[in-house]
Amino acid sequence: EVQLLESGGGLLQPGGSLRLSCAASGFTFSNYAMTWVRQAPGKGLEWVSGISSSGASTYYADSVKGRFTISRDNSKNTLYLQMSSLGAEDTAVYYCAKGNLVTKGWFDPWGQGTLVTVSS
Amino acid sequence: EIVMTQSPATLSVSPGERATLSCRASQSVSSNLAWYQQKPGQAPRLLIYGASTRATGIPARFSGSGSGTEFTLTISSLQSEDFAVYYCQQYNNWPLSFGGGTKVEIK
Repeated sequence: EVQLLESGGGLLQPGGSLRLSCAASGFTFSNYAMTWVRQAPGKGLEWVSGISSSGASTYYADSVKGRFTISRDNSKNTLYLQMSSLGAEDTAVYYCAKGNLVTKGWFDPWGQGTLVTVSS
Repeated sequence: EIVMTQSPATLSVSPGERATLSCRASQSVSSNLAWYQQKPGQAPRLLIYGASTRATGIPARFSGSGSGTEFTLTISSLQSEDFAVYYCQQYNNWPLSFGGGTKVEIK
């Protein structure tokens, strides 16, 4: 069974930094693209960032470009999202999701999410 | 950036009735479109990919159609467990993008 377990969320002040992790199991992690999607409280889904299976290619939404960095460690079956210069607009549940053999695609399955709250 | 627009925002349907949800792309995404279901407090679940292919384990009452800029998700006979929010997502162009969602509620 494919499992994705996010961690690293929490409460932090504006301007702060945080690193999210997503531990993957139940599939050959190094074969699949991965992605981060976030959902602000009471709002819809927003794609944040994607990474190819090797990690060589990365993609970002304009809203986070230059502030967030996606990466992966295929030896540890773990996906990361390094977030910096955080603002209130970044408050959301952050989901990691398994992509496809190619980087652009649909997401299945999703983890349960980790909540990031940016507030003074 | 491709903007995905879903309509209606809220759909009130009685159990057993058909629900038709729409998703429009600001430019062609070919058939590179997926649909997701999200229930309160849960992560989204993939329903449809490639505009019309049901994901593993998804009941046949869910069907997707369309290509280019106009897409439809149809739930043929709503069950109690189908009341949820539904999102479309295009994966034709970077950045990937979601629609704003359609909430299917009990009439």
